[in-house]
Amino acid sequence: QSVVTQPPSVSGTPGQTVTISCSGSRSNIGSNTVNWFLQFPGTAPKLLISSNNRRPSGVPDRFSGSKSGTSASLAISGLQSVDEADYFCAAWDDRVKGVVFGGGTKVTVL
Amino acid sequence: EVQLVESGGGLVKPGGSLRLSCAASGFTFSSLSMSWVRQAPGKGLEWVSSISSTTSYIYYADSAKGRFTISRDNAKNSLYLQMNSLTAGDTAVYYCVREAGGFVATGAFDVWGQGTMVTVSS
Repeated sequence: QSVVTQPPSVSGTPGQTVTISCSGSRSNIGSNTVNWFLQFPGTAPKLLISSNNRRPSGVPDRFSGSKSGTSASLAISGLQSVDEADYFCAAWDDRVKGVVFGGGTKVTVL
Repeated sequence: EVQLVESGGGLVKPGGSLRLSCAASGFTFSSLSMSWVRQAPGKGLEWVSSISSTTSYIYYADSAKGRFTISRDNAKNSLYLQMNSLTAGDTAVYYCVREAGGFVATGAFDVWGQGTMVTVSS
């Protein structure tokens, strides 16, 4: 069981906005910044959002991150078929003294 | 081009050892923290270890403590992971990752290698 919890799957239709939640605790999300990664099957993950809401160069503005208290969210607006992938959140945890990842969320475009 | 290339993976028997290497290029390796992240087949991502640019700070996941040793050679632009007492639970793709910014182990891994597969089996 992950220290940080994500829904196993979310789905949406093209053009819709979907949101992926990332629920943690005071020692991780509550005290540190959250990062989001996307991974296509058979490939290495890619940084999507850093420091709660910063998009690295090249990441479309359809992706946005937010954080409130001990939870964070990734929103994908204008959902496209190319967005079908696994999404992971991660943050430093002050208690375990390490980076903790969420279990991952599979996004399906219907 | 910024690049990380892992090597050293393979098949090893339980109780055996393996040393992973990661060759970095296209950026100032000596200025940035580096980490190892692994992914067991069909599973999620698991952070393994991180090391700061000057090796002043080193962190390990509980699953790695006492068995794995992270190190780096800034003169060779290389990161290493020495893995001992391997078990079937260590079977995974191991990714070498770069930490964005100047801090160690924030989880902002902005560059990933292609990964090297480690299989522990008799």
